[in-house]
Amino acid sequence: NAGVTQTPKFRILKIGQSMTLQCTQDMNHNYMYWYRQDPGMGLKLIYYSVGAGITDKGEVPNGYNVSRSTTEDFPLRLELAAPSQTSVYFCASSYGGRDTEAFFGQGTRLTVV
Amino acid sequence: GENVEQHPSTLSVQEGDSAVIKCTYSDSASNYFPWYKQELGKRPQLIIDIRSNVGEKKDQRIAVTLNKTAKHFSLHITETQPEDSAVYFCAASIDTPLVFGKGTRLSVIA
Repeated sequence: NAGVTQTPKFRILKIGQSMTLQCTQDMNHNYMYWYRQDPGMGLKLIYYSVGAGITDKGEVPNGYNVSRSTTEDFPLRLELAAPSQTSVYFCASSYGGRDTEAFFGQGTRLTVV
Repeated sequence: GENVEQHPSTLSVQEGDSAVIKCTYSDSASNYFPWYKQELGKRPQLIIDIRSNVGEKKDQRIAVTLNKTAKHFSLHITETQPEDSAVYFCAASIDTPLVFGKGTRLSVIA
């Protein structure tokens, strides 16, 4: 199993540009999440999904969009990138319910200039 | 929603000493409390977790305690080693998704 795979690992965007962060998992997990990690601020939930076709907002959803058309994939879309979106983004997945251990991807370091 | 506070933000210990990191949570319905370790430039990885029906759990040099009445839980690392140096995150949830604390940067000085 590859686990949770994110692409790209690094990206520099100009203000106003858009991009999609890709995330795929091969563990047949129902739940998938996007977190952002800012220095000294821990991990903040952007969006999550409990299954294909179902998504919900987390703590910091503004400026982002998601979709979940398959169990495996959960892409995160950034529209009109802003410097405040400079961060490390982690995708994670879990089986759900009481088996809630979250498995993380390797992260995407995004810089908006 | 759930809010998790974590202390201290930084912690330095001598090799071989013990380290304790504490977290409090706000939602009494939370029932799952994991701890993640994140080495520099790496992804967070689960090191130990505890559920609300258990007061203490131990795995070799690592232990977690939970006080449901006071709504706090703690990570204890004994006989610390240089490879324990990392950022540690606590989290809480009502099954899913996880709400994380801000992290503790642990430095083990040889």
